[in-house]
Amino acid sequence: SAVISQKPSRDICQRGTSLTIQCQVDSQVTMMFWYRQQPGQSLTLIATANQGSEATYESGFVIDKFPISRPNLTFSTLTVSNMSPEDSSIYLCSVDWSSTQYFGPGTRLTVL
Amino acid sequence: AQKVTQAQTEISVVEKEDVTLDCVYETRDTTYYLFWYKQPPSGELVFLIRRNSFDEQNEISGRYSWNFQKSTSSFNFTITASQVVDSAVYFCALSNYGGATNKLIFGTGTLLAVQP
Repeated sequence: SAVISQKPSRDICQRGTSLTIQCQVDSQVTMMFWYRQQPGQSLTLIATANQGSEATYESGFVIDKFPISRPNLTFSTLTVSNMSPEDSSIYLCSVDWSSTQYFGPGTRLTVL
Repeated sequence: AQKVTQAQTEISVVEKEDVTLDCVYETRDTTYYLFWYKQPPSGELVFLIRRNSFDEQNEISGRYSWNFQKSTSSFNFTITASQVVDSAVYFCALSNYGGATNKLIFGTGTLLAVQP
């Protein structure tokens, strides 16, 4: 399986600001995913990021709020824009490796 | 529509007890994947098992075992002789097979607390 790292591991931010989360994989992968896990909840897919194309967003998530970059086959970023307290969540990236998704350690975001 | 239901919100057991976590799924696809993930208090999501829809053979890995029954759309997970380190939230998930995105649909999770 792939080894996935995320930065930052946690952050506390003020409302109205933006935070960019980085996801790095130790192998080249075609598909990367970004999930949100609100406190005490399950995981919800935000978008699928493929290298060389625009990210595909799920219903309820828009590019202006969650812009995603995928510059190469080992890296992706997710930006949480114009944050509000409702954005306080764990954000996880994952990669598809032989039809199984493996997850990064997550980024715990608190918005005050 | 695809859906995963984990009816057990929280389970508390005493160490060395056996515990079964239930998972029921809905899908119109004839082929699909089922997964179990473990999320300990640290927050990372750890992959435990993947099962293909056309393989109903049960699987055992140490103290863990999985019972897949297509007739009842269930994929239950049993921990034998539970240990405190098993305390975590466990998620069951479903994805399409061979599709373009392999999107994962998660259940709501079951919080397992193993008391010493």
